[in-house]
Amino acid sequence: DVQLVETGGGLIQPGGSLRLSCAASGFTVSGNYISWVRQAPGMGLEWVSIIYPVGSTYYADSLKGRFAVSRDYSKNTLYLQMNSLRPEDTAVYYCARVLYSNYPNFYIDSWGQGTQVTVSS
Amino acid sequence: DIQMTQSPSSLSASIGDRVTITCRASQSISDYLNWYQHKPGKAPQLLIYAASSLQRGVPSRFSGSGSGTDFTLTISSLQPEDFATYYCQQSYSAPHTFGQGTKLEIK
Repeated sequence: DVQLVETGGGLIQPGGSLRLSCAASGFTVSGNYISWVRQAPGMGLEWVSIIYPVGSTYYADSLKGRFAVSRDYSKNTLYLQMNSLRPEDTAVYYCARVLYSNYPNFYIDSWGQGTQVTVSS
Repeated sequence: DIQMTQSPSSLSASIGDRVTITCRASQSISDYLNWYQHKPGKAPQLLIYAASSLQRGVPSRFSGSGSGTDFTLTISSLQPEDFATYYCQQSYSAPHTFGQGTKLEIK
């Protein structure tokens, strides 16, 4: 079965850094497209990033330069490094596996349970 | 970036009603459009991908249509478990933006 488990969330002060982990099972992070999506309190879903199997990465314009995705193949785990955090980054962060029908018609078929990040002094 | 606009933002309906939610893209996205259902405290669930393909395991009362800039999600006969928030998402170009959501409530 496909499973994604996010960890690493918590309370962090503005300007701080945090690294979220997304442990995958039932598939390989090296061979799949994986996205991060977040939901701020009372708000809708916001797309954060996607990483391709070949390593290409794309980010929401508002996050470029502050967030970065990486992978550890030996642990089959994806990471989201978040720097210079702001109160508006407070959200539940989901990692999700991305498939496609006719390439590159992508869609998210599996989601983790999410991890809460709170940026506050 | 491609902007996705859903309407309505909220909707009250009764069990058994037929409900339609619309999603409009700021530019043509062909059929690169997905629909998700999201309930509080749970992970979102894929309903429809590529505008009209029903995800395996999703009830057939859900259907999607559209191409280009205008899309619809239809629930043919509302069931109690369908009350949730629904999002469209484009995957035509990164960032793969979501609509703002449509909250479906019980009348």
